[in-house]
Amino acid sequence: DIQMTQSPSSVSASVGDSVTITCRASQGISSWLAWYQQKPGRAPKLLIYTASSLQSGVPSRFSGSGSGTDFTLTISSLQPEDSATYYCQQANSFPFTFGQGTRLEIK
Amino acid sequence: EVQLVESGGGLVQPGGSLRLSCAASGFTFSSYWMHWVRQAPGKGLVWVSRINSDGSGTTYADSVKGRFTISRDNAKNTLYLQMNSLRAEDTAVYYCARSSGSYGNYWGQGTLVTVSS
Repeated sequence: DIQMTQSPSSVSASVGDSVTITCRASQGISSWLAWYQQKPGRAPKLLIYTASSLQSGVPSRFSGSGSGTDFTLTISSLQPEDSATYYCQQANSFPFTFGQGTRLEIK
Repeated sequence: EVQLVESGGGLVQPGGSLRLSCAASGFTFSSYWMHWVRQAPGKGLVWVSRINSDGSGTTYADSVKGRFTISRDNAKNTLYLQMNSLRAEDTAVYYCARSSGSYGNYWGQGTLVTVSS
């Protein structure tokens, strides 16, 4: 199985700041990577697919990059509503696997 | 509007069985792959299973293989997850998700399964 490792596990930032979350795959997955946002008690929401494509309706302050084994999610101009846990997921091969999550706190 | 509504969760004893349902509406259900993803209390997301659009192809996580069965009824626009030989570690919120290009772009609200004596 492909292991997905996210860092950091948690991060705190202020409104207006930028934050970058990293996801590393244990083997190459081309661009078969998604990023999800999950708020407490809610279902995950797709933000980015195929590593860098912005899902419809998602604000442009969210961006993704990377290919192969190393990927990043960048959130610029942080807003209070960005407080959530963020997960990467590989869709290169079954079983699809998620990273352990990164909790983002807005100060 | 795309809607996915899970049901069938509840409290079950270890070794017991449960069948989850996911009622879909607002899209052509028979055109999409579907997935089940679970989340243990306070933990991260874990992919469980997927089924292709006509139900002819399924895949499972090793942790549920041989115990869980994913299926669908395209005439009823419903996805199922039959869970047998349940264990305490199967306790989780179970989400169904519609797949678009391998990614879950629509998710249900989840249904809680608790395995405990």
